[in-house]
Amino acid sequence: GAGVSQSPRYKVAKRGQDVALRCDPISGHVSLFWYQQALGQGPEFLTYFQNEAQLDKSGLPSDRFFAERPEGSVSTLKIQRTQQEDSAVYLCASSYGTHQSYGYTFGSGTRLTVV
Amino acid sequence: QQPVQSPQAVILREGEDAVINCSSSKALYSVHWYRQKHGEAPVFLMILLKGGEQKGHEKISASFNEKKQQSSLYLTASQLSYSGTYFCGTEPTGNQFYFGTGTSLTVIP
Repeated sequence: GAGVSQSPRYKVAKRGQDVALRCDPISGHVSLFWYQQALGQGPEFLTYFQNEAQLDKSGLPSDRFFAERPEGSVSTLKIQRTQQEDSAVYLCASSYGTHQSYGYTFGSGTRLTVV
Repeated sequence: QQPVQSPQAVILREGEDAVINCSSSKALYSVHWYRQKHGEAPVFLMILLKGGEQKGHEKISASFNEKKQQSSLYLTASQLSYSGTYFCGTEPTGNQFYFGTGTSLTVIP
């Protein structure tokens, strides 16, 4: 596609509910990142994929968070048993090559509200 | 690991200049700069690779001093459209990317 697409745009979840957030990167983009952005803060690194390989997941806040990119294109971020502190905007970004030489294109994000 | 930006916020009148600084405690492979408007995704401005280079993008340019692990973003003759929050992004390792603390820039008529 022309840009990075994320869905849903907004998600309201009851505490304890599982959610799945989808990211459809630009076709052919090798690198894919997930970030969490709290209100008024900068994006915080969650995890990084190069094609289907998850090379770094050190930013995932707990084992309730899980990300996958099975075919090296679409990625899903899953949050189990959501808590109120999970409320944030979740941003996905992709890049043509390995990220040391290319800028990232961000999706519009998914705003998750846990009530 | 998060780079520190200064100032935290700045208010300019149209046509004025501004400098935003980004400082990291880690050795860097590259520095990115992004602008984010309220409620929108960050937009890529430019990337600087190690080598002390300076790049330009219209009236926005940046420098990268890898020895000092610092980068600066220069905005000249600011326009209303420059308003937003500016983030630097740094790569201390091969598989992570950290955004800075952010600088809120407001340009007023």
